[in-house]
Amino acid sequence: NAGVTQTPKFRILKIGQSMTLQCTQDMNHNYMYWYRQDPGMGLKLIYYSVGAGITDKGEVPNGYNVSRSTTEDFPLRLELAAPSQTSVYFCASSFSGGGGAYEQYFGPGTRLTVT
Amino acid sequence: AQSVTQLGSHVSVSEGALVLLRCNYSSSVPPYLFWYVQYPNQGLQLLLKYTTGATLVKGINGFEAEFKKSETSFHLTKPSAHMSDAAEYFCAVRTYGGSQGNLIFGKGTKLSVKP
Repeated sequence: NAGVTQTPKFRILKIGQSMTLQCTQDMNHNYMYWYRQDPGMGLKLIYYSVGAGITDKGEVPNGYNVSRSTTEDFPLRLELAAPSQTSVYFCASSFSGGGGAYEQYFGPGTRLTVT
Repeated sequence: AQSVTQLGSHVSVSEGALVLLRCNYSSSVPPYLFWYVQYPNQGLQLLLKYTTGATLVKGINGFEAEFKKSETSFHLTKPSAHMSDAAEYFCAVRTYGGSQGNLIFGKGTKLSVKP
């Protein structure tokens, strides 16, 4: 299994541009998540999904959009990039059910710079 | 609501010394607790988790953590630090209710290991 994969690894955007960060998991997990990580701030949840067709906002959703058309894919869309969105973005997935702990498995991250 | 506090944003130890990384949590229900490790320029990797049962939890790479309900703590320890342990460590607690399955992360503790 590849686990959770993210593309691209790095990206530089100009202010006002848009882009989509891709995330795919091959573990048949029903839950998927997007986080951003800023130095000294830990991880902040942007959006999450409990299954195909179902998404919900996390702690810091402004400026982002998501969709979940399949179990495997959970892309994150930035419509009008702003310098405040310079960050490292992580996608994660987990499995619910069977009394499990919902531990999350993370992708390698996308480092985004907006200038 | 659940929350996590990691005491000390930076911890430095000598190679071979005890590693102790502190984590305190707040939860109104029995918590599920996690420690993750992040090596430079990588995603987060699960070190260990506490769900129910034995309060001393063993993880990968010789790490362990003890759940102490009376102290609301879940400190991470390793008897003898190795240079390869240098990384950032995150404590997390699972949420309940509407966002069941989501994790709340601490701000992280960066561990340095001196030769």
